[in-house]
Parts: sequence; structure tokens; C-alpha cells
Amino acid sequence: DQQVKQNSPSLSVQEGRISILNCDYTNSMFDYFLWYKKYPAEGPTFLISISSIKDKNEDGRFTVFLNKSAKHLSLHIVPSQPGDSAVYFCAATRGGADGLTFGKGTHLIIQP
Amino acid sequence: ETGVTQSPTHLIKTRGQQVTLRCSSQSGHNTVSWYQQALGQGPQFIFQYYREEENGRGNFPPRFSGLQFPNYSSELNVNALELDDSALYLCASSSGTIGPASQYFGPGTRLTVL
Repeated sequence: DQQVKQNSPSLSVQEGRISILNCDYTNSMFDYFLWYKKYPAEGPTFLISISSIKDKNEDGRFTVFLNKSAKHLSLHIVPSQPGDSAVYFCAATRGGADGLTFGKGTHLIIQP
Repeated sequence: ETGVTQSPTHLIKTRGQQVTLRCSSQSGHNTVSWYQQALGQGPQFIFQYYREEENGRGNFPPRFSGLQFPNYSSELNVNALELDDSALYLCASSSGTIGPASQYFGPGTRLTVL
């Protein structure tokens, strides 16, 4: 029973264009959502997060949108750069000692 | 300031054996979480330790156990290894006073069970 789903295993985007990564969740008790980026042979690196009381959070080239009624969030990267090529994980938590629930990840490939 | 480190990097065991994986937290962090990442999957939460006590656990059997030491470093122990335990084991440390965004992950230990 996957509570966090990333339905696109991979995504290819041209350098300079917008990358949009999607994530759906089923547990309405989640109140904090995060995106992590992972390079091979490294641990996941925190990218950006959003609380359930907000619908948008921006940090430089990265923006996360949350649609609670649809139980959907997305990560926008503008403009996409070659260094953005990595696996992106969506994660959610109820907070406290609950741990993070991750999706399976989306492999983003930025084409020159 | 050193980041989260894990040892060993790789490990090969046979079914039925026991294994201990180690994690050193980032300086100033008093909370450690462990995750299992199977091939092609996202990390799955195993458990969390805060000030030497387990205070959260995911859907893993009791043969997965842990320890946290006074210096906040941690061990993950897995008994009676099964083939499905083959995975990347990730440790994450954080300060208990900050939200989940403060979790910093180590590079992981790759465990292969034959």
C-alpha cells in the first residue's frame, strides 16, 4: 500500500526549460511534504519542503506546489540545469517521530 | 562541521547471519533515523532514536533493532538475515528541536545477502 506515489520513473527535459515533477499521496494525516535529490553513491539531499497549511513555497529555482484537495504536489525547477540531473524523491510525514514516507523516485535527465 | 558518516560502505553476508551497521551523526544532532532502500524503491523508515531511546518505528520486524550511544552515534542490527534484506541502508541525523527538513542523510551502507 503505497501512501506516496511518483508515477513517472523518469523525465527528460531540455536545459533551460522547466522541469515539473509530480507526486500524489493518499494519507490525509500527512502535514509536511519534502523533496529530496539523490546522486549515485550519495545519500538523499534535502531540497525544499512545504507545510500542509501552505499551497506554495519557493527557494531560488525551486518551487513546490501543494493541492490538498487533490492530494497532489509538484516540484518546478526553472530554469533546468545539467547539474539538476538526479533522482528526485517526494516524501511526506505527520511529523514528530513518524519518519518520512518516500515515493519511488523520478529520474530527471537534463538534456543539453 | 562533519556530516553524517556510515560504515562500512559495502557488506556481504549470507542468509541467517547477523549484521551491525554504524552511523555517526552530524555534530549537534541528537536524533538518528534509519531507512532501508531496496533496488528501485524509495527509502523506507525503519526506526528513530532520540536521546538513546527508540521513539518511532516503521513496519519492520523485531529482528531489526538499534542502539544510540551517549555521543548520539547509532547502530542498526539485523538478525537472521534474509535475501530480501539486501538493500542500501541509510542513516539520517537531525536536531530534535527542528522539523523533518533538518534531516541530513549519510551515503549509506550497501548490504548484500547471499
